[in-house]
Amino acid sequence: AQSVTQLDSQVPVFEEAPVELRCNYSSSVSVYLFWYVQYPNQGLQLLLKYLSGSTLVKGINGFEAEFNKSQTSFHLRKPSVHISDTAEYFCAVRDTGFQKLVFGTGTRLLVSP
Amino acid sequence: KAGVTQTPRYLIKTRGQQVTLSCSPISGHRSVSWYQQTPGQGLQFLFEYFSETQRNKGNFPGRFSGRQFSNSRSEMNVSTLELGDSALYLCASSRTGTENEKLFFGSGTQLSVL
Repeated sequence: AQSVTQLDSQVPVFEEAPVELRCNYSSSVSVYLFWYVQYPNQGLQLLLKYLSGSTLVKGINGFEAEFNKSQTSFHLRKPSVHISDTAEYFCAVRDTGFQKLVFGTGTRLLVSP
Repeated sequence: KAGVTQTPRYLIKTRGQQVTLSCSPISGHRSVSWYQQTPGQGLQFLFEYFSETQRNKGNFPGRFSGRQFSNSRSEMNVSTLELGDSALYLCASSRTGTENEKLFFGSGTQLSVL
C-alpha cells in the first residue's frame, strides 16, 4: 500500500528566505505525486504535480519540486518565501489505476517578517 | 466557471443524530470524491463516485455513505454521529477521476458533534 511521510510538522522561516518542505513516499507501483496548499478555512489547492518526464516540476506561486525515484522523495522548494505563503502544505501520492489520493500529515509553513 | 460548492459551510449536531452534506462539482465534472480531515488523522479518503456509481471506498464504517445524482451532485450521509466524526469534510471533483487529473477541492463543511 502506498504511504506518504512528511518529516516536518512545522517549518518556521523568515520572509525572503529559501524553504524546503520534505516528502517521502512508498509505493510498489508507478505513482503520481502532488503538492497541495491549504490556507486557513479553505479547501486544498494544487501547487504542482509530477506525472512523468522531467523530474523538476514547476508550480504556481514560485514553488517547485524535484522527484527523486532512488530516494523516493518529492521535496517542495521555494527560493524566497512571502508572508502570504503561510499555510499548511500536503504532499500526496496517487497510484496508477486508483482514484484516491493518499496524503501526508501536512507541514505548516510559518513565515515571519 | 464556478468552483466546487459545498453546503452547508458549518454544521453542529449532537451524538446519535444523522447528517447530510452536499457537494456540487464543477460543471462537466463527473467524478466526485470525499475526504475527511481531522487534526489527528489528517486527510483520509472516504469514497469516490462516477456517473452515479461508487467506484472506490476508503476504510470507514458503514455509518458513512454517499450517493451521486444524474447531474453529478453528490451527498454524503453520516448516521448515528459520534464525537470522533467532528471534522472538516472536503469534496473534490474532476472530469473523469483518472489518476493523472487535477482534483478541484471545495472549501469543505466543518462538522462539530457535541
